[in-house]
Amino acid sequence: DTGVSQDPRHKITKRGQNVTFRCDPISEHNRLYWYRQTLGQGPEFLTYFQNEAQLEKSRLLSDRFSAERPKGSFSTLEIQRTEQGDSAMYLCASSSGGMWQFFGPGTRLTVL
Amino acid sequence: GQQVMQIPQYQHVQEGEDFTTYCNSSTTLSNIQWYKQRPGGHPVFLIQLVKSGEVKKQKRLTFQFGEAKKNSSLHITATQTTDVGTYFCARPSGGSYIPTFGRGTSLIVHP
Repeated sequence: DTGVSQDPRHKITKRGQNVTFRCDPISEHNRLYWYRQTLGQGPEFLTYFQNEAQLEKSRLLSDRFSAERPKGSFSTLEIQRTEQGDSAMYLCASSSGGMWQFFGPGTRLTVL
Repeated sequence: GQQVMQIPQYQHVQEGEDFTTYCNSSTTLSNIQWYKQRPGGHPVFLIQLVKSGEVKKQKRLTFQFGEAKKNSSLHITATQTTDVGTYFCARPSGGSYIPTFGRGTSLIVHP
């Protein structure tokens, strides 16, 4: 399967714990995006990488959130000291240049 | 970045009826993208429109970009149960032209 993959698919954690998600984009895609989606809403932009450089971050992205793409391939999104409001689907997408995005299946986070 | 407004938020139709969703922006768009998300799934790219007044068809789906490039529509002819899902439009925002999504229109098709 050469699509975008995300791991884990589901994560249940207790409030205050740290969580880390991984995204493997389509191999030839240089752009990688993280979005958050809650019920009844469209994907909400969090951050964007071009190769290994993090070029944009949403103002919604608090300092508890950090993302990396160390070698310009896979990316990780870490949330520290999780809060119940962090419960959502976290979607990763990749694209080649400025073209349309290919989304992964998402990681559903539940914070108890 | 600026959002796009999508209407309606929900649409119930009987199988075989037509369906249209609209996407509106207050500013001129360089392009507009459409995605479909099945229940429990992830957004899947459908099409990108770039030219003023552009009309593109994919089988029973017709996509239109307004002359002023401020609005777009998706029309489905003779809906089927496989059309069920949420249809999102997305506009490019910021210097990196990152797709910014509307809230979507959820289509429910009754057999």
